[in-house]
Amino acid sequence: KAGVTQTPRYLIKTRGQQVTLSCSPISGHRSVSWYQQTPGQGLQFLFEYFSETQRNKGNFPGRFSGRQFSNSRSEMNVSTLELGDSALYLCASSFSALGDTEAFFGQGTRLTVV
Amino acid sequence: TQLLEQSPQFLSIQEGENLTVYCNSSSVFSSLQWYRQEPGEGPVLLVTVVTGGEVKKLKRLTFQFGDARKDSSLHITAAQPGDTGLYLCAGELSGTYKYIFGTGTRLKVLA
Repeated sequence: KAGVTQTPRYLIKTRGQQVTLSCSPISGHRSVSWYQQTPGQGLQFLFEYFSETQRNKGNFPGRFSGRQFSNSRSEMNVSTLELGDSALYLCASSFSALGDTEAFFGQGTRLTVV
Repeated sequence: TQLLEQSPQFLSIQEGENLTVYCNSSSVFSSLQWYRQEPGEGPVLLVTVVTGGEVKKLKRLTFQFGDARKDSSLHITAAQPGDTGLYLCAGELSGTYKYIFGTGTRLKVLA
């Protein structure tokens, strides 16, 4: 079966712009979680969606938002980009919730803010 | 505050050596997973441990979950260059949907 697909793979944006990242989970998976990975901070939890509802949110400013559609696909939006937002953004999908069932990660979207 | 601390942060060893990576927390986890991540890729799940004191073996890798479900270890026997990568522990804080990752251990196995 197809894995988790994240698009685009690479993105370069300018400070102040906004960006939307997309994640298509494995068919049948209803939980999608987003993470930011940087060399200094490691993997930081952004938020988790299950059946179109945000179940949990990490400690990120309101500029980071997300949503999940009825087909479980999820998007993450970052507004007013800052240089520090440069990172690898990963999404993970699982059947119910990470930790309960096996989780699968996409290859990530590498965002560079200049 | 980092809830899951891994040690060591970096490890460079020769092929054939054994090593242990530790994942420690003051919080209790419902379950704990270990992942390996290679450059340019997302993390890949290696194992899930659920019960306190549980030991799981995956070929040359042995995973243990602490009795109190606050810590875990990963032991690799006779490391090979193919074991090189970033090892991450992760878990769901008991009673929440918050799933967090450890600080990571970057392993390099030299041929």
